[in-house]
Order: sequence, then C-alpha cells, then structure tokens
Amino acid sequence: DAGITQSPRHKVTETGTPVTLRCHQTENHRYMYWYRQDPGHGLRLIHYSYGVKDTDKGEVSDGYSVSRSKTEDFLLTLESATSSQTSVYFCATQGQEHSGANVLTFGAGSRLTVL
Amino acid sequence: EDKVVQSPLSLVVHEGDTVTLNCSYEVTNFRSLLWYKQEKKAPTFLFMLTSSGIEKKSGRLSSILDKKELFSILNITATQTGDSAVYLCAVDPMDSSYKLIFGSGTRLLVRP
Repeated sequence: DAGITQSPRHKVTETGTPVTLRCHQTENHRYMYWYRQDPGHGLRLIHYSYGVKDTDKGEVSDGYSVSRSKTEDFLLTLESATSSQTSVYFCATQGQEHSGANVLTFGAGSRLTVL
Repeated sequence: EDKVVQSPLSLVVHEGDTVTLNCSYEVTNFRSLLWYKQEKKAPTFLFMLTSSGIEKKSGRLSSILDKKELFSILNITATQTGDSAVYLCAVDPMDSSYKLIFGSGTRLLVRP
C-alpha cells in the first residue's frame, strides 16, 4: 500500500545484535500495529499503538519493544536478536472503518533473518 | 482464549474448479469477521462480515457468516491461476484497541 512504508525490506543479522524495523505511514491513522508471520501460525500481534507515546503489548511481545514519537512512525526494536525472531514482520494501520468496525491495511513486510 | 481456525491448511485445484474455504472462531466478544488475500507481499482486504446470513460478493468471490455456529466460508467459483494465494480469516473481537485475531491461513494453488 502506497500509504505504508516499511524499512528495511530485507535484513540479515547475527544473534545478539540489535535490530530496528521502521514503519512510516502517510494516512494520519491513529492506530498502528506490528505483526509477525510464520508458517503455521498466521499473523500474530507483537505490539500496537493507539497514539503518540501510547503503546501496548500483543500476544508475542517478549523480546520486542516499540516506540511511537510521531503519528507517522512506529518503530519495532529487537534489543538482542535471536534465531526464533527470524520471520516476516508486517506493519499495519487502521485503514478504514465500516460501520464502526475495523479494517487493517498492511505494509509490504520486512523479512528478517537472524543467523 | 480467543482463536480463529481455518481449514483446509492447503488446497490444490485446477482452473475452473469451485473452492470453499472455512473459518471458525471463538471470541469473547464479536464485532466482525474479515477475509484477506495474501499473494507475495501484504495481505489485501477482501470482505468484512458483521451479520449472519448476508452474503458478500465480489465477482467470483463470495462469503457468508453464521454467528450462531461461529463460522464463515469463502467461496471462489471458476477459479483462475491468479486466485493462487494464502487466504486469511480474521476476527475483530470488539475491544478498544481494534486488534484483529488471525487464523493461520489457507494456501490455495490453482493449476492451469
């Protein structure tokens, strides 16, 4: 989606190194999310944000932290990467509302390999 | 624990076949069920269903929700190779964070 940009798109790193993934949106959406996608598990929520400096944990938050200093940017940090964090990471924003419900719009994904 | 289960996990068909993908769910509260299509990159939105029995259609794709039995189906008629993708089902559990809970997806391969 043209309104959500993830960077980097691909990264290979070594165990124990810090990694930061960036999500940038131009839609001025309040809610932003980080999901990871692994075979057999679908999309699992890591962290989400409901406004600047307002974040909360998802179901698989261990080993990850996030920050949101501006509406448009949501950063996901792995303080010390492990091989179990090898995955594809998707950022999403609340894309559009239909009758009060929620439709998420996703970025193109960031593929992270931890050796 | 809220969960969404999709079946089958994978499916191989030939062009022109009709396929039915299944999604069952258990959530404490329910606002809507969503279907996404994922080809090589980002999931893209297909349908949102909130009421039982009302079929949503878009070309050869259609979907229906049964809130009593807690499931939804996604039908694709006259399949084409371009329908090959992972189809994701998600439930909006109506909490304040607007989170979605996803199933593990059904991988569909349509052969020429």
